[in-house]
This record gives sequence, structure tokens and C-alpha cells, in this order.
Amino acid sequence: AQSVTQPDIHITVSEGASLELRCNYSYGATPYLFWYVQSPGQGLQLLLKYFSGDTLVQGIKGFEAEFKRSQSSFNLRKPSVHWSDAAEYFCAVGGGSQGNLIFGKGTKLSVKP
Amino acid sequence: KAGVTQTPRYLIKTRGQQVTLSCSPISGHRSVSWYQQTPGQGLQFLFEYFSETQRNKGNFPGRFSGRQFSNSRSEMNVSTLELGDSALYLCASSQVPDVGEQFFGPGTRLTVL
Repeated sequence: AQSVTQPDIHITVSEGASLELRCNYSYGATPYLFWYVQSPGQGLQLLLKYFSGDTLVQGIKGFEAEFKRSQSSFNLRKPSVHWSDAAEYFCAVGGGSQGNLIFGKGTKLSVKP
Repeated sequence: KAGVTQTPRYLIKTRGQQVTLSCSPISGHRSVSWYQQTPGQGLQFLFEYFSETQRNKGNFPGRFSGRQFSNSRSEMNVSTLELGDSALYLCASSQVPDVGEQFFGPGTRLTVL
């Protein structure tokens, strides 16, 4: 079955520290992979996407993610977290003949001053 | 270019009533998908429309229905509301299906009393 697992429900990091949010997926075909961010009461904003090619993808707001096929992972990273990064982050997989996205349960990020 | 718009933003209904939510996609986008977001179940796919045809449907009861108009605007309807239908309903649009990159609206917060 197709699924996305985000093992960490809640992560707290200090401002200025590095961040890595984990995402593992199960998908039959070559996946399209996405990271979205959601601020409270808001919709989802696309941070970055992977379709093919270079396995390290750059996104908005200084985020990057690395696709590792052998580990079925697509972890999100940021070298230095800002207080404004506090939000919930969702990893998603989809594309191809299946037009809908399958989301992980999300990781809530808190940032300590 | 304007983003995805959803109306209304907030809605309060009572059990047994029915509700219609509206979504206007980004100009030029012809594919619209709907998702339900709840704290317990996370983000779940409802259905996807392209060129006024439902292409894909998630695992929801028949009380949930939708349609798409010739201008790509979409509506979803929930009949005989239950308390468990309280959720944030998100609409997403993309230029065409199968590409995977979807742009989300701010959502409609439905509360069923």
C-alpha cells in the first residue's frame, strides 16, 4: 500500500540550530515527492518537490531535501532555523496516474528563542 | 496571479444538515482536488476533478460528493452532516493531473454541532 511516514510528531529546536525532518514513503512506482508547510489556520504552502534528476533539491525559505531511493526517504533539512519556521510540515507522495497526494501525519516544529 | 480561493472560510452547521463548499482554482488550472484535514486522521484525499469529470475518489461515504464546472471552479457537498465531518476542507489546483504539483487554498473550516 502507498503510504508516507513521518516518525516525529513534534520537534523542538533552538533558533539558529540546524533542522532535519524525516520522511519515509512506500510507493509502487517512481514517486513524485513533496514537502508542504502549514501555519496555524492556513492552507498548505509548497516548500519543494522532487520529480527526477538531482536527488538534492532546493526549495523556498532556505529548505532543502534529499531523495534516497535505497532508503525510501525524503528528509527535509535547513541549516539554521528561524523563529518564523515554527509550523507544521507535511511530506507527501503522488503523481503519475494517481493524481492525488498521499500525506504523512505531519511534524510540528517549535522553535525556542 | 491570484491563488486558490475557497468560500466560505468558516461554516457552522448542525447534524443532519447539508453543506456546499466552493473552490476557485488558479487561473489556467484545470484540475481540482479536495482533501479533508482532521487532527485524528490527518490529510485525506476526497476526490479529484479534471475537465468536469471525476478522475479519482478517496475512501469516503457517498454523503460526500463534488462537481466541477466548465470554468474549472469546483464545489463539494456533504449531506446529512455528522459530528465527525468537522474538519478543515482544503482545495488544491494544478494545471493538469498527473503532474503532482498542487497549490492549496486556505481551506474552509466546517464545524458540525
